[in-house]
Amino acid sequence: AQSVTQLGSHVSVSEGALVLLRCNYSSSVPPYLFWYVQYPNQGLQLLLKYTTGATLVKGINGFEAEFKKSETSFHLTKPSAHMSDAAEYFCAVSDRGTGNQFYFGTGTSLTVIP
Amino acid sequence: GAVVSQHPSRVICKSGTSVKIECRSLDFQATTMFWYRQFPKQSLMLMATSNEGSKATYEQGVEKDKFLINHASLTLSTLTVTSAHPEDSSFYICSAGAGARVGMDEQYFGPGTRLTVT
Repeated sequence: AQSVTQLGSHVSVSEGALVLLRCNYSSSVPPYLFWYVQYPNQGLQLLLKYTTGATLVKGINGFEAEFKKSETSFHLTKPSAHMSDAAEYFCAVSDRGTGNQFYFGTGTSLTVIP
Repeated sequence: GAVVSQHPSRVICKSGTSVKIECRSLDFQATTMFWYRQFPKQSLMLMATSNEGSKATYEQGVEKDKFLINHASLTLSTLTVTSAHPEDSSFYICSAGAGARVGMDEQYFGPGTRLTVT
């Protein structure tokens, strides 16, 4: 089974600063990779995903992530944090071919300091 | 497109009663639906995978007799928490996959249901 590691359960950045949220996966075969955002008492909203093709993926709200096979990573970045970015962020993976099951990281809570 | 709804969004029930949560795919047919449970400040824990017309597959440690899942149609799955107890209080989230593209495309998540058992 896959495992997903999100380093840093809590990340604080100043408004306007770079956001970097880390995600590493365990599989030797690159999976499909996803980043989701969750606001309090709400479901998950897809930020971006990587399935194939270009390894730098752009998503909504100015976020992007780069798939690095050699590092088994899919870190999420945003050049300039906004107050509205404060939320919980989850990295998820699913196995190619078999489909279905998603494996979620433990989440990273992002705080944006004015 | 790809909207998933859940009903109710919040429910409070007394200990010992049963509660049903509905998950609907509004604009696509979902052959597979997933039920997750999320405790405060924690990640999503997959409870079960439900395929239309067949019995749900439960994850290890999830009581199938307590969390009854029915996926009777391609747009509706229900989770019934039977004989609810305070420890069942949690945030329940469903997601739906668009048939053969599940895993290739993202799962589409519902907004969640906050269950409080008193």
